[in-house]
Amino acid sequence: GAGVSQSPSNKVTEKGKDVELRCDPISGHTALYWYRQSLGQGLEFLIYFQGNSAPDKSGLPSDRFSAERTGGSVSTLTIQRTQQEDSAVYLCASSLELRVTDTQYFGPGTRLTVL
Amino acid sequence: DQQVKQNSPSLSVQEGRISILNCDYTNSMFDYFLWYKKYPAEGPTFLISISSIKDKNEDGRFTVFLNKSAKHLSLHIVPSQPGDSAVYFCAASPNYGGSQGNLIFGKGTKLSVKP
Repeated sequence: GAGVSQSPSNKVTEKGKDVELRCDPISGHTALYWYRQSLGQGLEFLIYFQGNSAPDKSGLPSDRFSAERTGGSVSTLTIQRTQQEDSAVYLCASSLELRVTDTQYFGPGTRLTVL
Repeated sequence: DQQVKQNSPSLSVQEGRISILNCDYTNSMFDYFLWYKKYPAEGPTFLISISSIKDKNEDGRFTVFLNKSAKHLSLHIVPSQPGDSAVYFCAASPNYGGSQGNLIFGKGTKLSVKP
């Protein structure tokens, strides 16, 4: 079956512009996660959703970052007024339920470059 | 401060030999640990996990060992194959049996298996 898909695969933007990243989880997965990987770093957790709700937004790096999930499926991560330090690969993952023992399946990521 | 550390950025091993990838953690509340493998331009894929109630978990050529007193875990791959060449991420969670799935990742170790 289809895995997690993300779009766009690459995004180049100018500093100060807004960007929107999209994640389509595996059908039927109730939990969805956003991570980012900056150059030479590990994966940094950003936010998770259980259904449409995100109970903990403390992992988002700044108030320029927001995320939403509608219909318990597609999620978008929006970065307003992008900065060069936002350049990274943004990864989305989904799992059947919100349990650490449920395998998280990752998408291929969106590579964001802020000039 | 990094809570999950992979101190070797790279490892080179001959095909057929054992690969040993190491991971240290600082948070004694972590009680579930995972290894993910990542090929270039793809998202990470789950490899193997272990809970803190065990000290060893084996799946085919892959074995994970956990030493709680040393806050250390290792992934053994034997025999190593060229297709194992990838970046390996160690991840940890304090939520085994709980209802939150966000993971804390190390920076990764790039394994190269030479034919």
